[in-house]
Amino acid sequence: DQQVKQNSPSLSVQEGRISILNCDYTNSMFDYFLWYKKYPAEGPTFLISISSIKDKNEDGRFTVFLNKSAKHLSLHIVPSQPGDSAVYFCAAYDSGGSNYKLTFGKGTLLTVNP
Amino acid sequence: ETGVTQTPRHLVMGMTNKKSLKCEQHLGHNAMYWYKQSAKKPLELMFVYSLEERVENNSVPSRFSPECPNSSHLFLHLHTLQPEDSALYLCASSQDWGETQYFGPGTRLLVL
Repeated sequence: DQQVKQNSPSLSVQEGRISILNCDYTNSMFDYFLWYKKYPAEGPTFLISISSIKDKNEDGRFTVFLNKSAKHLSLHIVPSQPGDSAVYFCAAYDSGGSNYKLTFGKGTLLTVNP
Repeated sequence: ETGVTQTPRHLVMGMTNKKSLKCEQHLGHNAMYWYKQSAKKPLELMFVYSLEERVENNSVPSRFSPECPNSSHLFLHLHTLQPEDSALYLCASSQDWGETQYFGPGTRLLVL
């Protein structure tokens, strides 16, 4: 049973427009969420995170929104750039449980077209 | 070298071979991790070491044997693997209790 779900395997967006990547989770104990970005032949790179005490965190073009009641988070990229084309992984963990176990989604392949 | 490095980047081995994957982190972190990423599956945590002690073993078959000689180095020793073990093996590190893990580039393993 997948505790972190990214239901869209892929997303295609025009350069300059907004990219919205979605993630749902089922474990109500998760209280810290992260987004990682992965280029081919490289390991995942940390992008942005959010704690459950917040509902929004912004870093430049990247904003993560958290809706705890819906157990849903999203990553917004504005404006999207061709260099943003990569696989984006959502991850979550329970800071009150094991501090080491990140649970990942399957990833969403974002393609930003020039 | 900075960040987390992994060698080799690609490995092809037969089912009777013994090989080792190496990970090194230059971030001063105290926790290191091995993950497996199979096609169309989420990253799966295999092992966690904190301060050189194994703190989690996620029901990984014994044909995978980790070793953490110090806080900067992590090995994954492989023996008598199966073709279904072919995957991308990723190493990561983090500070104590740290939420953010920093990943290496991975080793692409093919078992024939």
